[in-house]
Amino acid sequence: SYVLTQPPSVSVAPGQTARLTCGGNNIGRKSVHWYQQRPGQAPVLVVYDDSDRPSEIPARFSGSNSGNTATLTISRVEAGDEADYYCQVWDNDSDHSVFGGGTKLTVL
Amino acid sequence: QVQLQESGPGLVKPSETLSLTCSVSGGSISTYCWSWIRQPAGKGLECIGRVCLGGSTSYNPSLKSRVTMSVDASKNQFSLKLTSVTAADTALYYCARVVVTSESDRFDPWGQGTLVTVSS
Repeated sequence: SYVLTQPPSVSVAPGQTARLTCGGNNIGRKSVHWYQQRPGQAPVLVVYDDSDRPSEIPARFSGSNSGNTATLTISRVEAGDEADYYCQVWDNDSDHSVFGGGTKLTVL
Repeated sequence: QVQLQESGPGLVKPSETLSLTCSVSGGSISTYCWSWIRQPAGKGLECIGRVCLGGSTSYNPSLKSRVTMSVDASKNQFSLKLTSVTAADTALYYCARVVVTSESDRFDPWGQGTLVTVSS
């Protein structure tokens, strides 16, 4: 099964930029989606197909994907961005979706 | 907008079958595929599988032998059955709409989740 690797935690001060990574073998050849899960809430899609945003998601959220690393970038971080973030891809070999282990974003 | 709501027993005995239903409102169940995703307490997300109208399914290989998913279009609902459960199946279970493209599946939106505990 395809493996996605995310750092367990990232910390950033308010107003700064957070970069959350998702590693996988040739992940640049796959479409990567990102979900935000605030404490006690269901996940919400924030970026899909590497870099597209649902209409209700602020433009502060952006994504990129190349080589073996996909990145979710959150600009001008706010306290409300504190959450767990998960990346997800479709594994063609096993015909199912795979999630990364998640990164806890802490706003200092 | 589409909303999803999970329902089912919150407690299941070991070796028995976990059964959950997801009710879809605000849209037709016929247009998309639908998934179940679970999350043990304090841990990450695991996709259990997806089901599309017409009966086509795709299950997580690690759970495939125990999972059945189905769609009831007349009720705008879809369901999950997981057999021979153990304590390791204790988790928050989410249902979600699947957007299927040639490249990938993505999940949007999600239900609020329902906690299922496996215990005697």
